[in-house]
Amino acid sequence: DTAVSQTPKYLVTQMGNDKSIKCEQNLGHDTMYWYKQDSKKFLKIMFSYNNKELIINETVPNRFSPKSPDKAHLNLHINSLELGDSAVYFCASSQGRKDTQYFGPGTRLTVL
Amino acid sequence: DQQVKQNSPSLSVQEGRISILNCDYTNSMFDYFLWYKKYPAEGPTFLISISSIKDKNEDGRFTVFLNKSAKHLSLHIVPSQPGDSAVYFCAASEGAGNNRLAFGKGNQVVVIP
Repeated sequence: DTAVSQTPKYLVTQMGNDKSIKCEQNLGHDTMYWYKQDSKKFLKIMFSYNNKELIINETVPNRFSPKSPDKAHLNLHINSLELGDSAVYFCASSQGRKDTQYFGPGTRLTVL
Repeated sequence: DQQVKQNSPSLSVQEGRISILNCDYTNSMFDYFLWYKKYPAEGPTFLISISSIKDKNEDGRFTVFLNKSAKHLSLHIVPSQPGDSAVYFCAASEGAGNNRLAFGKGNQVVVIP
């Protein structure tokens, strides 16, 4: 009965590969997010979707492409992975544009 | 440019005593502030929030104080319990309806039994 779940939890891959991280929420929320926590521990928003519509798109390389097939899912696809993409990626959701965001457990991505 | 700053990255406190975490911000347009708590290998969980129209908000053992003129807020945990050992993130946004949160880098709290 996990509220916000992410798969996989750990992802180790080689430079240049393409990978996806999946996120699902069962809270009935209509807004979902992707955050990146880098090696300096800063949590920075990457994208936000509201009702499957992209509403926040921070300065993120276009190798990163979010996809929201429905309100309960927001996946993150990353092309041509680079060493600097190594980080923990968190998915979150909220009801509307409210600030109480509920986070998933994170996906630790390691690019070798 | 980090708009939300949390200095003193770690804090150790005896069980039963008060834990005080500080947060400073630079963006004068921020008017809604939140604290999140994070355990290892888990995502952040919402703890408490405060709107700029208030200077204090209390929820059980947790109280957040806001000093707008100083652009400073603090989180007080009284009494501290071993289960409070975690990383605490301060976050801020421009308006309660704005979902673009700016986070600090977090404070590690260790509560010693």
